[in-house]
Amino acid sequence: GAVVSQHPSRVICKSGTSVKIECRSLDFQATTMFWYRQFPKKSLMLMATSNEGSKATYEQGVEKDKFLINHASLTLSTLTVTSAHPEDSSFYICSAYKQRNRVSSYEQYFGPGTRLTVT
Amino acid sequence: GENVEQHPSTLSVQEGDSAVIKCTYSDSASNYFPWYKQELGKRPQLIIDIRSNVGEKKDQRIAVTLNKTAKHFSLHITETQPEDSAVYFCAASRVAGGTSYGKLTFGQGTILTVHP
Repeated sequence: GAVVSQHPSRVICKSGTSVKIECRSLDFQATTMFWYRQFPKKSLMLMATSNEGSKATYEQGVEKDKFLINHASLTLSTLTVTSAHPEDSSFYICSAYKQRNRVSSYEQYFGPGTRLTVT
Repeated sequence: GENVEQHPSTLSVQEGDSAVIKCTYSDSASNYFPWYKQELGKRPQLIIDIRSNVGEKKDQRIAVTLNKTAKHFSLHITETQPEDSAVYFCAASRVAGGTSYGKLTFGQGTILTVHP
């Protein structure tokens, strides 16, 4: 099956600093990746759709200047949380579709998530 | 946009019993409905999915049914085992075409506890 990795798995940072989270598709190319945020005991909330070679599409209510997304290659998308605050502490998960024969697989493959704690 | 409602929020069953989780969706254009199992601190794992051209799908102890007219779909787990305990999420998506290609909208989740 397809594998999506995230790095780091856990990060603790001080309020006001920026943190970058990487999402990689290890054995396939992903033109589209998604970034989700999940609070404890809550559902996954889509933050943005990351498109290779173009600007990300953000969901309503998500600050694009705070959550910077870059999808510079077909295997890597990054999420940078800028000027982090304690309320940004959360579990961030990425996912990717695997493109096959010009017809995208319906299945999204999820990364293992990154636990961000802002002190 | 799409809205997915999931019930119940918690479900407690005895080992060997069946468990049913139900979801409704709002966007009649949604055509793909996956179910995910998530253990604490881990990634969601796809357990079964169904497309809108199918009414039912089964994989061993797990089955999913879809009623497009009523816009609801359900997960059925038979002969539950303690290792089935986890959080289960339903989701809906519209794939192929349109600006919302591939976006998953998740339900609120169901905490399933299977007691030995």
